[in-house]
Amino acid sequence: KQEVTQIPAALSVPEGENLVLNCSFTDSAIYNLQWFRQDPGKGLTSLLLIQSSQREQTSGRLNASLDKSSGRSTLYIAASQPGDSATYLCAVRDFGNEKLTFGTGTRLTIIP
Amino acid sequence: DVKVTQSSRYLVKRTGEKVFLECVQDMDHENMFWYRQDPGLGLRLIYFSYDVKMKEKGDIPEGYSVSREKKERFSLILESASTNQTSMYLCASIPGGRVHEQYFGPGTRLTVT
Repeated sequence: KQEVTQIPAALSVPEGENLVLNCSFTDSAIYNLQWFRQDPGKGLTSLLLIQSSQREQTSGRLNASLDKSSGRSTLYIAASQPGDSATYLCAVRDFGNEKLTFGTGTRLTIIP
Repeated sequence: DVKVTQSSRYLVKRTGEKVFLECVQDMDHENMFWYRQDPGLGLRLIYFSYDVKMKEKGDIPEGYSVSREKKERFSLILESASTNQTSMYLCASIPGGRVHEQYFGPGTRLTVT
């Protein structure tokens, strides 16, 4: 059974710093991996989707990487801003499966 | 833009009541999902549907049922609400094929008293 872990559960960094969020998964036979952002009391917004054949995806100040063999993905945020404060979740879709398995998220706080 | 809407943002119900949570998507997506989200447990899949009148159990279906009579609408039903079903409920959809992103609704925060 796939398990997804995100460490740390919470992270605080000063504004302007670059930072990395981590996601690990136990079964490397994934179809794709998706990073989401969730603001307090709100639904999830998709940030980046990486297919299993890809190594990374970029969108603006965000860069997500995927290393299937080691079961890891990272979300890199450049030049952090207070508006980046949110909970970030990663989720994997396994082969032959429409379901996503989610990590419990990292709550990010950017300190002005 | 894909739009996934949920009928209520906040809902308060009493123990034993029958509760309906509605989800509607406007992009003709085949697949729809219901999750619940609890602190420390993350998102857990309750039920999903890959076509009209089709449903599959997720990881925690006990105490819930679903209905998909039309492609755009997926309903989650709590037959007899209990306090342990107090949670944030999130609906999502994706088109057919696994390459696509999953789109989420804004969520319904349900409190059962």
